[in-house]
Amino acid sequence: QKEVEQNSGPLSVPEGAIASLNCTYSDRVSQSFFWYRQYSGKSPELIMSIYSNGDKEDGRFTAQLNKASQYVSLLIRDSQPSDSATYLCAVNMFTSGTYKYIFGTGTRLKVLA
Amino acid sequence: GAGVSQSPRYKVAKRGQDVALRCDPISGHVSLFWYQQALGQGPEFLTYFQNEAQLDKSGLPSDRFFAERPEGSVSTLKIQRTQQEDSAVYLCASSLTPLETQYFGPGTRLLVL
Repeated sequence: QKEVEQNSGPLSVPEGAIASLNCTYSDRVSQSFFWYRQYSGKSPELIMSIYSNGDKEDGRFTAQLNKASQYVSLLIRDSQPSDSATYLCAVNMFTSGTYKYIFGTGTRLKVLA
Repeated sequence: GAGVSQSPRYKVAKRGQDVALRCDPISGHVSLFWYQQALGQGPEFLTYFQNEAQLDKSGLPSDRFFAERPEGSVSTLKIQRTQQEDSAVYLCASSLTPLETQYFGPGTRLLVL
């Protein structure tokens, strides 16, 4: 079982709709969670970080964390074609004596105009 | 201020050649990470430095891979006797501390023929 799991997609949503991206992780003691957006041929760029249970909102983006269920999600409201990208979930895990990011494989989002 | 920079951006190597990839982190960032990203996959952890100390190299795929950060700033990832399976994008990221957000460089796209 992979440590961080995401549905690879593609997830297709119409312009203006809400896109919901999900991520589950295996390490119960993880404390830091991140969503990155990666356009084709580019490097990952940070969208949101979340550390506590509940919701965190930033503009059109909302991250949701449920540590009991080991689940983190990203909602994108009013989706735009420019949101079409791969969304990577990253979990900061303490393993092999150090902290490291473990990434999921990413979910490819397509926003249809 | 300047972000993370990497060079070269693209590298074509013949099988068996040695290559060196450079990363210049954000000034003042203690933590530096190297990742390997294959097409359609999320970044895979290779190694981590805290200042000049290499605290975790558990992700390096073989002893042909070697990384250093001698003065706690610029880092170099060296791959000896490159193989075709080494073809990937190599991403460098830095952060203020291991627990905080990692900022990625543009990556080096390595193609081994």
